Amino acid sequence: NAGVTQTPKFRILKIGQSMTLQCTQDMNHNYMYWYRQDPGMGLKLIYYSVGAGITDKGEVPNGYNVSRSTTEDFPLRLELAAPSQTSVYFCASSYSRSRQGAGGNTIYFGEGSWLTVV
Amino acid sequence: LAKTTQPISMDSYEGQEVNITCSHNNIATNDYITWYQQFPSQGPRFIIQGYKTKVTNEVASLFIPADRKSSTLSLPRVSLSDTAVYYCLVGRSGAGSYQLTFGKGTKLSVIP
Repeated sequence: NAGVTQTPKFRILKIGQSMTLQCTQDMNHNYMYWYRQDPGMGLKLIYYSVGAGITDKGEVPNGYNVSRSTTEDFPLRLELAAPSQTSVYFCASSYSRSRQGAGGNTIYFGEGSWLTVV
Repeated sequence: LAKTTQPISMDSYEGQEVNITCSHNNIATNDYITWYQQFPSQGPRFIIQGYKTKVTNEVASLFIPADRKSSTLSLPRVSLSDTAVYYCLVGRSGAGSYQLTFGKGTKLSVIP
């Protein structure tokens, strides 16, 4: 049972380069998320998706793009990397039921991708 | 969205019971309370979730008073491996559930 898988785990980028962080989940979850976490801070939502073909901005979307062509995959694209994007990136997924009283939204996280922009 | 407030840090000796309280004064009727645990260099992981009264699982207990404006995560007899950051989140399934926000959490340090 793999859960949420992210690649790569570590990456060093030069300023201005671009790259894609890959994320896949095998739990048939409808919701997927990308968070970033700076040292000593909580997680900030970058982008999220409520289903294949649907994405939307979170709290800190600038400098990033996403796509959701399948239920399983949710890649995060960094365009023109900047030092401010040095962070740990977490992909996550959850199964969100639409009916009232269906419980809280339990989120399952990947192991993280450490990105340094120099 | 319900805002949560929890202590920045706590220290405890091994073997003690640890209680971490989270305030969520504007919790909505359909909101659930969920606690996550994050070890260094790892993603957060689900610990426990509840709506009211008390919930217990193999890892922790969650106490929620009748007014639901706060909740307490209880970790029985902590060990060094319980040193982690603990996040309290309030939200619901369905529309808007993607807006769950992780604050700075409570950093628990277990001392030998």
